[in-house]
Amino acid sequence: EDQVTQSPEALRLQEGESSSLNCSYTVSGLRGLFWYRQDPGKGPEFLFTLYSAGEEKEKERLKATLTKKESFLHITAPKPEDSATYLCAVQARGGADGLTFGKGTHLIIQP
Amino acid sequence: EAGVTQSPTHLIKTRGQQATLRCSPISGHTSVYWYQQALGLGLQFLLWYDEGEERNRGNFPPRFSGRQFPNYSSELNVNALELEDSALYLCASSDTGVYGYTFGSGTRLTVV
Repeated sequence: EDQVTQSPEALRLQEGESSSLNCSYTVSGLRGLFWYRQDPGKGPEFLFTLYSAGEEKEKERLKATLTKKESFLHITAPKPEDSATYLCAVQARGGADGLTFGKGTHLIIQP
Repeated sequence: EAGVTQSPTHLIKTRGQQATLRCSPISGHTSVYWYQQALGLGLQFLLWYDEGEERNRGNFPPRFSGRQFPNYSSELNVNALELEDSALYLCASSDTGVYGYTFGSGTRLTVV
């Protein structure tokens, strides 16, 4: 059974204080690993897809990296508008079970 | 380009009633996925429809059902509502062969 564990559950940072969110996964053949951002009461917003170990992708202050067992979402010099819940999900080859999501990391950036 | 649209935004039902939630995928997307996000839990996979057929379902009872129409829009039906069915129901769509989903804003279902 595919599993995704995200840590920490919650993280409070000062504006400009860089940090990393962790996503550990077990999957029977990785098709893709996905990062989403979710604001309260809204649907998840797609950020990145990573396909193979060693791959990295960047978008503004966010950078996602992937190894064979985990992914990191690095946040550099965050701003209050980066406050959200960040979700990690995996899709197995075949993908018949859809995406398997972690419970997310609730990030708060204080001005 | 219009995103994934869901209706209604909010829905309040009484225990034992039926609820119907609707989803319109991005134009050109043939796959529709339904997820349940209950308070304190992660997104749980409910159903996958592609080309009008149910392709897979998650670990939910049969009272959760749905269908996909010829225009690829989809409907989720929840029968015999229970209090624990209260959750945000999210619909996502994808194009065959493209990895990753685009989500709608969800329907907040409250069962009282």
